[in-house]
Amino acid sequence: DAKTTQPPSMDCAEGRAANLPCNHSTISGNEYVYWYRQIHSQGPQYIIHGLKNNETNEMASLIITEDRKSSTLILPHATLRDTAVYYCIVRVSNDYKLSFGAGTTVTVRA
Amino acid sequence: EPEVTQTPSHQVTQMGQEVILRCVPISNHLYFYWYRQILGQKVEFLVSFYNNEISEKSEIFDDQFSVERPDGSNFTLKIRSTKLEDSAMYFCASSAGVQPQHFGDGTRLSIL
Repeated sequence: DAKTTQPPSMDCAEGRAANLPCNHSTISGNEYVYWYRQIHSQGPQYIIHGLKNNETNEMASLIITEDRKSSTLILPHATLRDTAVYYCIVRVSNDYKLSFGAGTTVTVRA
Repeated sequence: EPEVTQTPSHQVTQMGQEVILRCVPISNHLYFYWYRQILGQKVEFLVSFYNNEISEKSEIFDDQFSVERPDGSNFTLKIRSTKLEDSAMYFCASSAGVQPQHFGDGTRLSIL
């Protein structure tokens, strides 16, 4: 019952931007796009979320297409500490739970 | 920055024993959650809790599981009679309403 599709893995060079894609073609009008990451052996860490506008915070930028069927998480200057599994999650605004998929394993290489 | 803290970091228990996992959510948060992650598998939702009652629970959260907020700061998950398949990382999370959930670093539960 996955609502999102992400590539299983990707590599990124240290210091370069990392662009992580996510497809959510069945997203509904009241569903937000959330991004979390999980560094090995730690709990999931909130990164960013959005509904339809692009969002930016100190960690990343979120670009959502106009039809909202896909989005891209951008880590502007990847560091080795950004190596993690990144999860794109679609969540209804009044739903309590987060439904995690398999995510994208991002490896940042020196 | 406020954090969700979980204790213990690792719990080893004999099969059939009761275990209580403890969490201290972020202080001004009112919504609390438990998730688990079996080794090598996805993070799975167990239960959400608000206003001293369960808001939502998954199929995993059967009669062997219970949650409680015994005081103003702690949130606990109890497994009454542990099974081998309960071995997993258990994550507590909290949020202020439908704002983003913030997770602790988990308790690794090992059932022998």
